Amino acid sequence: GAGVSQSPSNKVTEKGKDVELRCDPISGHTALYWYRQSLGQGLEFLIYFQGNSAPDKSGLPSDRFSAERTGGSVSTLTIQRTQQEDSAVYLCASSEGLLGANVLTFGAGSRLTVL
Amino acid sequence: AQSVAQPEDQVNVAEGNPLTVKCTYSVSGNPYLFWYVQYPNRGLQFLLKYITGDNLVKGSYGFEAEFNKSQTSFHLKKPSALVSDSALYFCAVRAQNTGGFKTIFGAGTRLFVKA
Repeated sequence: GAGVSQSPSNKVTEKGKDVELRCDPISGHTALYWYRQSLGQGLEFLIYFQGNSAPDKSGLPSDRFSAERTGGSVSTLTIQRTQQEDSAVYLCASSEGLLGANVLTFGAGSRLTVL
Repeated sequence: AQSVAQPEDQVNVAEGNPLTVKCTYSVSGNPYLFWYVQYPNRGLQFLLKYITGDNLVKGSYGFEAEFNKSQTSFHLKKPSALVSDSALYFCAVRAQNTGGFKTIFGAGTRLFVKA
């Protein structure tokens, strides 16, 4: 696609429920990233995928968070047993791979509200 | 480990005056450095980047940034601010030599330009 697409744009859920957030990167981009932006906070790195390499999961805040990327394209971020502190905007970005200077293109984000 | 510091939560400047948004970084080896901007109700957009070479980098919308290796800084500047520059600005760093693509962002600096 022309840009990075994220869905849903807004999600309201009850504490304890599981949620899935989807990211469809730019076609041909081999690198995909997830970040979290909480109110008043910066961009918190969660995870990135690069081609067929093992993902860098070092930013995932707990084992309730997981992500996968199928076929080197679409990615799903799953949050199990959601907590109120998980409320944030979850941003996905993609970039062309193999050159570290490549620029990230961000999606519009998925705003998660946990009641 | 990589880190980015944006020491100012907020910068206020009058329209027509020069602006500076500060950023310092910590990374092993040589860095790739980036500035991104988030306008209200819009996604994060790339502004400019430093890879190598000339320490003064020019980017979109009249912005520029100066790489200072000895001070590990990459401050964003603009000679004459516009009200439309009001936004949230993020500095980001990626290490050149890790073989990975992990990009770390600062906490962000909110710029207010008053007419």
